[in-house]
Amino acid sequence: GESVGLHLPTLSVQEGDNSIINCAYSNSASDYFIWYKQESGKGPQFIIDIRSNMDKRQGQRVTVLLNKTVKHLSLQIAATQPGDSAVYFCAENRESGYSTLTFGKGTMLLVSP
Amino acid sequence: GAGVSQSPRYKVAKRGQDVALRCDPISGHVSLFWYQQALGQGPEFLTYFQNEAQLDKSGLPSDRFFAERPEGSVSTLKIQRTQQEDSAVYLCASSGRTNTEAFFGQGTRLTVV
Repeated sequence: GESVGLHLPTLSVQEGDNSIINCAYSNSASDYFIWYKQESGKGPQFIIDIRSNMDKRQGQRVTVLLNKTVKHLSLQIAATQPGDSAVYFCAENRESGYSTLTFGKGTMLLVSP
Repeated sequence: GAGVSQSPRYKVAKRGQDVALRCDPISGHVSLFWYQQALGQGPEFLTYFQNEAQLDKSGLPSDRFFAERPEGSVSTLKIQRTQQEDSAVYLCASSGRTNTEAFFGQGTRLTVV
């Protein structure tokens, strides 16, 4: 289930389950979105990105969905593995011109064997 | 190098001490970003360089923070007269072009005591 921890929302799943992590972004002008995975003691690692002219993009075991109408992103991880345990951040940006990544709050994913 | 390298990995500073944090970006990457990540939070933008030019420093929290990238490669983030609220992980990221995939280093964890 999903619960709110002291700092981060946490999603706990069993190995083999599918996981869905949600994110609401803030800037209507954002047109480029990225999901990052951050393991303890490491920097954020790129997982998958999507541009605003798409509503779905698939990678290996991961799918990102974009709903621009309600400014919502989701990351779906298929057949979740213990190695997927980490904090997941969505980030928004503008693809044209200069801008910088704005990160969401993050969700901790805990995968039990 | 193979990735973004940051040093030191950990730094403990006494309140009032000056610190310097180093970032070696991926060779040839034009864009370099510094972010600050407080415990349990997403990274927050500090400053951005395109080659040696500091194009945006709007995220620097005070004039005690200073960043440079004099030859368009290695960058240093300097914090003068450190305060306890400066305790955080400082992340560096580089990318080949603006607004495309940014690669993050492992960060420097600064603890001010």
